Amino acid sequence: GQQLNQSPQSMFIQEGEDVSMNCTSSSIFNTWLWYKQDPGEGPVLLIALYKAGELTSNGRLTAQFGITRKDSFLNISASIPSDVGIYFCAGLPPGETSGSRLTFGEGTQLTVNP
Amino acid sequence: DVKVTQSSRYLVKRTGEKVFLECVQDMDHENMFWYRQDPGLGLRLIYFSYDVKMKEKGDIPEGYSVSREKKERFSLILESASTNQTSMYLCAIKGFTSGSWGETQYFGPGTRLLVL
Repeated sequence: GQQLNQSPQSMFIQEGEDVSMNCTSSSIFNTWLWYKQDPGEGPVLLIALYKAGELTSNGRLTAQFGITRKDSFLNISASIPSDVGIYFCAGLPPGETSGSRLTFGEGTQLTVNP
Repeated sequence: DVKVTQSSRYLVKRTGEKVFLECVQDMDHENMFWYRQDPGLGLRLIYFSYDVKMKEKGDIPEGYSVSREKKERFSLILESASTNQTSMYLCAIKGFTSGSWGETQYFGPGTRLLVL
């Protein structure tokens, strides 16, 4: 299946810094989802976006659904050590209603140095 | 809270063994999914099911089968395990976010399978 282009692949930052990552696609999506995965665990939903242009926050996290419907970004402000993990974007293409098959990015590995 | 449980967190099996991975959900959701996750390859869909006894192949179904006899339980079966099936296996269910009631997927904690 199609993969989303997620960047960067990895980030090494100092505690307190802000982080930005994004996902792009050549085709449009109706839904963008952002997940975080801790080592050895399953992905946990952070933010869900359902409308083009939508900007949604969850604590220190902010995500936006691109106006073209082909991209999304996730920002983390004032990073802390527990932000370490892999962040995934996922998109639901138009027409995927019965099976609800998501398309996933390959993930951004975030390392936060105390 | 949505709860998706997987029968084992870690499994070690030998080549040729038949392996069962179980996934159970408590939310009466129709759609359930099995993925495998490998470094550099991301999440890849193996099979999904949208109702009892219904199944659809995902992107990498070869070497796997599934069973959905009850709505709450979706099993992934490796008929004859091979070393290239060593991976992290993730079960997910289709759900809806509270408030906006938009569609999403909720994941279980994963099963890390090692085939020797």
